[in-house]
Amino acid sequence: EPEVTQTPSHQVTQMGQEVILRCVPISNHLYFYWYRQILGQKVEFLVSFYNNEISEKSEIFDDQFSVERPDGSNFTLKIRSTKLEDSAMYFCASSPDRDPEAFFGQGTRLTVV
Amino acid sequence: DAKTTQPPSMDCAEGRAANLPCNHSTISGNEYVYWYRQIHSQGPQYIIHGLKNNETNEMASLIITEDRKSSTLILPHATLRDTAVYYCIVRRSNDYKLSFGAGTTVTVRA
Repeated sequence: EPEVTQTPSHQVTQMGQEVILRCVPISNHLYFYWYRQILGQKVEFLVSFYNNEISEKSEIFDDQFSVERPDGSNFTLKIRSTKLEDSAMYFCASSPDRDPEAFFGQGTRLTVV
Repeated sequence: DAKTTQPPSMDCAEGRAANLPCNHSTISGNEYVYWYRQIHSQGPQYIIHGLKNNETNEMASLIITEDRKSSTLILPHATLRDTAVYYCIVRRSNDYKLSFGAGTTVTVRA
C-alpha cells in the first residue's frame, strides 16, 4: 500500500538553527500538507500546497517557515531559525484531490534545545 | 468551520461494537463530516467521511442524523488495535485544511 514517508524520524537541533524536514508524498497525489502536534496538544494545520504554490496557511505558518517541492517527489518544510516552542511532531500529508481523505506520514519529532 | 463536540473518553470491550458520538449542531449544507484516528502519536489515519447519507467502508460505518446536527461512528467489532484518539471533523468541500479538536480517547479492553 502506498504511503507518505518522512525523514528523519527524530531531529534534535539547537535554538536558532535552520532545519529542513523532508517528506515523500504518495506519487500520484496533487495536494500536500504540513501539520504539527506539540506534545499533549491538538494536531494543528500549518500549510497546504498545490500546483507549486501555497494554497492556504495558518497563523502559525509565519515568515520563519517555508515549503518547497524541489523535485517531482520531495516536499520539504524549512524552519529558518528554530525556537524552543517549535519542538513538536511534524506530520506531512498528501491527498489525490482536495475532498477525499488525506494520507499522513508517521511524523518527524523535532526537538529544539 | 462548524465546531464539533465529542466525549473526552470512552471504553469498550474487545469484540463489541464501539459507538462514538459527535455533535456538530452548527454544520452548514456544504460541510462534510470526517472521522480520523490517531494511534499513539502516529500520523492521523482517515476512517470515513459523509455529507448526509450513511456511509460504510471496511473500517467503520458513519451514521448521520437527518438534521445533520450529529453523527455516530461505529466500529463494528472493536479490537485492541482500535485503541486510539478518534477525531470528528467538519470540513467545507472547498477547504484545504482539517481542523482537529481534542477527539475521543477510545480504549478497547480485553
